Amino acid sequence: GAGVSQSPSNKVTEKGKDVELRCDPISGHTALYWYRQSLGQGLEFLIYFQGNSAPDKSGLPSDRFSAERTGGSVSTLTIQRTQQEDSAVYLCASSLATGLAGQETQYFGPGTRLLVL
Amino acid sequence: QKEVEQNSGPLSVPEGAIASLNCTYSDRGSQSFFWYRQYSGKSPELIMFIYSNGDKEDGRFTAQLNKASQYVSLLIRDSQPSDSATYLCAVRDSGTYKYIFGTGTRLKVLA
Repeated sequence: GAGVSQSPSNKVTEKGKDVELRCDPISGHTALYWYRQSLGQGLEFLIYFQGNSAPDKSGLPSDRFSAERTGGSVSTLTIQRTQQEDSAVYLCASSLATGLAGQETQYFGPGTRLLVL
Repeated sequence: QKEVEQNSGPLSVPEGAIASLNCTYSDRGSQSFFWYRQYSGKSPELIMFIYSNGDKEDGRFTAQLNKASQYVSLLIRDSQPSDSATYLCAVRDSGTYKYIFGTGTRLKVLA
């Protein structure tokens, strides 16, 4: 079956512009996560969605960042008024469930490489 | 601020040796622990998860968990050059369903 897909794979934008990053999780996966990874760094949690519950937005670095998940499937991460420090790889992951042994393995998409000039 | 700490490396081992990767975490209530492998320019992929104290073996990989010491490790036996990658330790936050990742240990297996 298909894995997690993300688009675009690369995005170059100018400082101050808005960008939208898309994630298509694995079908049937109820949990969806967004992470940010700067060069040579670990994964920084941004937000997660679990089913129909309110998302945990506690990792979003500023109010310029927002995300939504429509119909429990596709998710979009939006960064408004981009800054140079937003340059990073944005990774999306999905899992079958959360908090259940053996079902919380996260499957990662290929990422979107964002460069803000 | 809950943290997961790893030595950034690089950890260099000769082919065929045992590579030992270590991780400590601050959240005493954490119950779920994961090791992911990330090749350069690629996304992380799961190697193993562990929930109970002790050892868990899967092929050449053994995860070890000691909740009292807040310590989790990954042993790779008979290391191969193809094992050269960054290994990320991840811990599920006890109060939420967030996962906290370490910065990773870069492993180099020398042929």
